[in-house]
Amino acid sequence: GAGVSQTPSNKVTEKGKYVELRCDPISGHTALYWYRQSLGQGPEFLIYFQGTGAADDSGLPNDRFFAVRPEGSVSTLKIQRTERGDSAVYLCASSLMGGGRGRGTEAFFGQGTRLTVV
Amino acid sequence: DQQVKQNSPSLSVQEGRISILNCDYTNSMFDYFLWYKKYPAEGPTFLISISSIKDKNEDGRFTVFLNKSAKHLSLHIVPSQPGDSAVYFCAASARGGADGLTFGKGTHLIIQP
Repeated sequence: GAGVSQTPSNKVTEKGKYVELRCDPISGHTALYWYRQSLGQGPEFLIYFQGTGAADDSGLPNDRFFAVRPEGSVSTLKIQRTERGDSAVYLCASSLMGGGRGRGTEAFFGQGTRLTVV
Repeated sequence: DQQVKQNSPSLSVQEGRISILNCDYTNSMFDYFLWYKKYPAEGPTFLISISSIKDKNEDGRFTVFLNKSAKHLSLHIVPSQPGDSAVYFCAASARGGADGLTFGKGTHLIIQP
């Protein structure tokens, strides 16, 4: 597709379960970002990939959160032992390039995955 | 502590008039600022950006002003149109690129016919 695609669009899971959220970036975009948006808040940075490697994971809230991008394209955000506080919209974005002085290469966002932990 | 603040949760403007959305920041290391627009059930869409070396950037109906001494920026939309009704997020970066953006909480702009 032409834009960033995220699946599933909605996910309801029980507290304590494991979930995986998928992001398909725009073809050719080397930089990929994950953000989390809680109700009434702006998006909160989680992690940034440049190619296959995580260039900045300083936003991951704790070790229950992990993300991979093994082939430098699709990325998966993994959350272990989910808690009710993890409920949020998880946004993925990609840009042609990132890191440092990437001016002019704005990030394109997907529609998000709404995660609800019950 | 919120580093990017949008103090108006909502703003109502009559169609055809000017909409002014405000944003304040506290981190003096921020050097690149962006505005995103978000419709319900969609991801944020990039609107306009400004580097700290400038004080104004214009793109069609949208103009962003930056006052570094006051750590304040604003987005002007003129004339406002019904399709402008959305949530607008101010975002900032300390590294000049699109990674690691810090967002405000957003302002819901409502354009009245």
